[in-house]
Amino acid sequence: NAGVTQTPKFRILKIGQSMTLQCTQDMNHNYMYWYRQDPGMGLKLIYYSVGAGITDKGEVPNGYNVSRSTTEDFPLRLELAAPSQTSVYFCASSYPETGIQPQHFGDGTRLSIL
Amino acid sequence: QQQVKQSPQSLIVQKGGIPIINCAYENTAFDYFPWYQQFPGKGPALLIAIRPDVSEKKEGRFTISFNKSAKQFSLHIMDSQPGDSATYFCAASMRVNSGYALNFGKGTSLLVTP
Repeated sequence: NAGVTQTPKFRILKIGQSMTLQCTQDMNHNYMYWYRQDPGMGLKLIYYSVGAGITDKGEVPNGYNVSRSTTEDFPLRLELAAPSQTSVYFCASSYPETGIQPQHFGDGTRLSIL
Repeated sequence: QQQVKQSPQSLIVQKGGIPIINCAYENTAFDYFPWYQQFPGKGPALLIAIRPDVSEKKEGRFTISFNKSAKQFSLHIMDSQPGDSATYFCAASMRVNSGYALNFGKGTSLLVTP
């Protein structure tokens, strides 16, 4: 199993550009999440989804959009990139039943906005 | 607002020592407390987790101690090895809207010297 796969691994954007961070999982997990990790700040939840067609905001959703058309894929869209969005982005998935299921993380997308 | 406070920010121990990382929370709605280990360039990986109805959990060299009344929990690494050098995050989970959200501490960078 590949687990959670994120692409691209690295990207440099100019201010105002847009891009989509891709995330796919092959574990048939219903729950998927997007986090951002800033140095010394831990991980902050951006958006999450409990199944295809259902998404909800996390702690820091401003400037991002998500969609969930399939169980496997959960892309994160940045519109009008800003320097404050420079970060490492992690996608995760979990089997839903209860909140005690571990989240499986991808290896991240390192994004710089210049 | 950081819902989970983690200390220390960094820690250096000699091989064989017992590093201890502490976390504290305020929200009694949290019902699951995992610890994640992260190596450079990788996503976090679940290390060990505990429910608040248990005071201690041990898995191999890793032990979580949980004090529900004090709203504190800690990770102990017995007989630490250089391969344990990584960043450790505590987290707390609770039900939110349509799913569950993990709130992470800011992380502790652990270095185990030979």
